[in-house]
Amino acid sequence: GENVEQHPSTLSVQEGDSAVIKCTYSDSASNYFPWYKQELGKRPQLIIDIRSNVGEKKDQRIAVTLNKTAKHFSLHITETQPEDSAVYFCAASTGRRALTFGSGTRLQVQP
Amino acid sequence: DSGVTQTPKHLITATGQRVTLRCSPRSGDLSVYWYQQSLDQGLQFLIQYYNGEERAKGNILERFSAQQFPDLHSELNLSSLELGDSALYFCASSVEGLYNTEAFFGQGTRLTVV
Repeated sequence: GENVEQHPSTLSVQEGDSAVIKCTYSDSASNYFPWYKQELGKRPQLIIDIRSNVGEKKDQRIAVTLNKTAKHFSLHITETQPEDSAVYFCAASTGRRALTFGSGTRLQVQP
Repeated sequence: DSGVTQTPKHLITATGQRVTLRCSPRSGDLSVYWYQQSLDQGLQFLIQYYNGEERAKGNILERFSAQQFPDLHSELNLSSLELGDSALYFCASSVEGLYNTEAFFGQGTRLTVV
């Protein structure tokens, strides 16, 4: 089955700096790669996703890049703010299969 | 509000007991997924149902079982509970198509086994 590895497990940045989280996946058939943000005690919520026919997608301060050849994708957050502090999960899926999640990255934005 | 409803929100029970967690997916979503999240851990996929049929199985223990009913709501049954089963259990639902789409999560059921 699919295996998703996520790095780093924790990330601390100063407010205003950029943050980058990286994921690799194993199944070359995976074609959907969402990123979820989970605040303490709350449900994971989608922040951005990318499909295999696209190499990059941007939404305001958040961007995701996908390298299908290398089987890795990354989340980029620019101009970080304290409210960006949360746990971020990457995920991958093939067609109709359930999402396989990475282990999560705890992002702390220091004011 | 994601449109996915999970009940109960909190559950405290003793070891050896059996509990049932309930999930109502978003209107129109045929796929339901169950995930387990232990303290400070990631999201572990348990099982997926699509339109009443089991579609995929993850790291689900034999003591756990699930089903999806004709009205598309799903139940996760956990039996012979152990202390290590204490976790946040999330249900998610999605619409299916050529490409997979966003999975919407319920607010979770926090299970505490004492």
